[in-house]
Amino acid sequence: LAKTTQPISMDSYEGQEVNITCSHNNIATNDYITWYQQFPSQGPRFIIQGYKTKVTNEVASLFIPADRKSSTLSLPRVSLSDTAVYYCLVASGNTPLVFGKGTRLSVIA
Amino acid sequence: GAGVSQSPSNKVTEKGKDVELRCDPISGHTALYWYRQSLGQGLEFLIYFQGNSAPDKSGLPSDRFSAERTGGSVSTLTIQRTQQEDSAVYLCASSPKPQLAVGPGGTQYFGPGTRLLVL
Repeated sequence: LAKTTQPISMDSYEGQEVNITCSHNNIATNDYITWYQQFPSQGPRFIIQGYKTKVTNEVASLFIPADRKSSTLSLPRVSLSDTAVYYCLVASGNTPLVFGKGTRLSVIA
Repeated sequence: GAGVSQSPSNKVTEKGKDVELRCDPISGHTALYWYRQSLGQGLEFLIYFQGNSAPDKSGLPSDRFSAERTGGSVSTLTIQRTQQEDSAVYLCASSPKPQLAVGPGGTQYFGPGTRLLVL
């Protein structure tokens, strides 16, 4: 399974756009890139998934360059409720996910 | 519809005792996973059930840990002779029918977890 590297923590003020970049240098051809969000005392929650270029949904955007060795999760205009841990994972099919420590995002008023 | 549920939500036990943790996956989901999360850490994969196939037990940390999935639905994770280092949040997740190896990673739906404290 491809290993991912992402910043341990980030701080942001409310209303700002937050970009969290994840490195996955040994991503396989079949792998998709998936981001999960975890609030305190809850299980992780799926945010967004992509293979290449750009994916956007009601929660976030995911930017993936052509070489797919990294990806950037973009959260527009964050609020205090976006304070959470964000995990980047790469996998294909229905396989157990390998979670790292994630990025702890703190949104400040 | 109902999500993944786990019970108990909290469990305090004494070192050396056995504990059973239960997971009710989303109806119709064929894949079920158990993970463990220690304080401030990422999730650690424990075991994976897919339909009627033999489970992937590669993540179980010792032979004190075992899991069953009855009737392709409910799963029970059992920890025998608990140790203090077993204290963690145990998370269960389920996923819909398996997709082809070449395709998106199956989205996993997580339960709220069981917080286990071994004294």
